[in-house]
Amino acid sequence: QKEVEQDPGPLSVPEGAIVSLNCTYSNSAFQYFMWYRQYSRKGPELLMYTYSSGNKEDGRFTAQVDKSSKYISLFIRDSQPSDSATYLCAMSATSGTYKYIFGTGTRLKVLA
Amino acid sequence: KAGVTQTPRYLIKTRGQQVTLSCSPISGHRSVSWYQQTPGQGLQFLFEYFSETQRNKGNFPGRFSGRQFSNSRSEMNVSTLELGDSALYLCASSLGSDSGNTIYFGEGSWLTVV
Repeated sequence: QKEVEQDPGPLSVPEGAIVSLNCTYSNSAFQYFMWYRQYSRKGPELLMYTYSSGNKEDGRFTAQVDKSSKYISLFIRDSQPSDSATYLCAMSATSGTYKYIFGTGTRLKVLA
Repeated sequence: KAGVTQTPRYLIKTRGQQVTLSCSPISGHRSVSWYQQTPGQGLQFLFEYFSETQRNKGNFPGRFSGRQFSNSRSEMNVSTLELGDSALYLCASSLGSDSGNTIYFGEGSWLTVV
């Protein structure tokens, strides 16, 4: 079993829809949680960064962490065709180490 | 502010050869980490360097090695290339302080082994 599980998709939604992307994990030591967006043939780009449990909002993006369920989510409101990309969750157990564990990514396609 | 720069962007090598990839971190960043990305395995951590010292290492064979220079620039080397080494190799940089700083990726080096 992988430490981090992420549905690979692809996920197709109409423009304007609310998108929910999720990851589950098994290591209860994870405290730092990130979401990256990766366009085709590009490096991953940091979208959201959260520490421990709770919600964090940034524009159309909301990240949620539920440590009791070992479950994290990224919500995208009013999705746009430009949001079409692969979304990667990443997590780490301790501060100061960059040995992040990544999910395999979910491919999202927003249809105009 | 310039981002993380990786060179070369694309390269093709033959089995048994070796390859060296280069990474220039964001100015002021002292930590450089390397990841391998493949369709089947996703992003996998190779190693991380901070102040010229390897601080963390992933589960890759000894054919994969790296180093960091005094100006924080880093190189990774893969010797005796195998077909399975074909992947996108990503470098990421960070400030490196103990405050959970996040990492910022370059655009990667696409390696094809034939």
